[in-house]
Amino acid sequence: AQSVTQPDIHITVSEGASLELRCNYSYGATPYLFWYVQSPGQGLQLLLKYFSGDTLVQGIKGFEAEFKRSQSSFNLRKPSVHWSDAAEYFCAVVPTGGGNKLTFGTGTQLKVEL
Amino acid sequence: DTGVSQDPRHKITKRGQNVTFRCDPISEHNRLYWYRQTLGQGPEFLTYFQNEAQLEKSRLLSDRFSAERPKGSFSTLEIQRTEQGDSAMYLCASSSTGMEPQHFGDGTRLSIL
Repeated sequence: AQSVTQPDIHITVSEGASLELRCNYSYGATPYLFWYVQSPGQGLQLLLKYFSGDTLVQGIKGFEAEFKRSQSSFNLRKPSVHWSDAAEYFCAVVPTGGGNKLTFGTGTQLKVEL
Repeated sequence: DTGVSQDPRHKITKRGQNVTFRCDPISEHNRLYWYRQTLGQGPEFLTYFQNEAQLEKSRLLSDRFSAERPKGSFSTLEIQRTEQGDSAMYLCASSSTGMEPQHFGDGTRLSIL
C-alpha cells in the first residue's frame, strides 16, 4: 500500500543545534515530495518541494531536504534551529504525474529548547 | 495574492445540527481541495474540484457530507446531522495545476458538543 512514514512523533533540540526530520515513502514510482510546516491553530505552509533533478532542495526559512531514491527517503534538515521553528512538520507526497491529492505523514512535533 | 481564505475559523455546534464552511481559493487557481485533520494526525484528503466539477471524493466523505463549487470560485462544505466524530480541523487548499504545490488556508475548527 502507498504510504508516507514519519518515524519521529516528537523531537526536541536546543536552539542553534542542527535538525533532521525523517520521512520515508512507499510508492511504486518516485512521487512528488513536499514538506509543510504547521503552527498551532494555523494552516500548512509549504517549506519546499521535490519533483525531479537536483536531489538537494532548498526551501524557505533556511530549510533544505535531500531526496535519496535508494532509501525512499526525503529528510528535512536545518543547520541551526531558531526558537521560532517550533511547530509541527509534515511530509507529503503526490503520485508522479500530478494526481489530485496530497497524502501526508502523521507529522513530527518539534520543540526547541532555549 | 491574498491567499486561501476560510470562514469561519471556529465553529461550535450541538450534535445533530448542520454546519457549512466556506473556502475562497487564490483567485487564479482552478483546483480546490478539502482535507480533514484530527488531533495528532496529518490532513486526510476529502474531495477535489477542478473549476466547478467535483472530480474525486474520498471514502471518508460520507453521505452526510456535501461539497460544492458552483461557479468555479469559492467552495462550501456542508456536514449534515453532525456527529462527535466530525470534530476536526477542516482545511481547504488550492493550486493552479496538479503539478503545482497546494496552498492551504488556516482552516475551520469544528467542535461538536
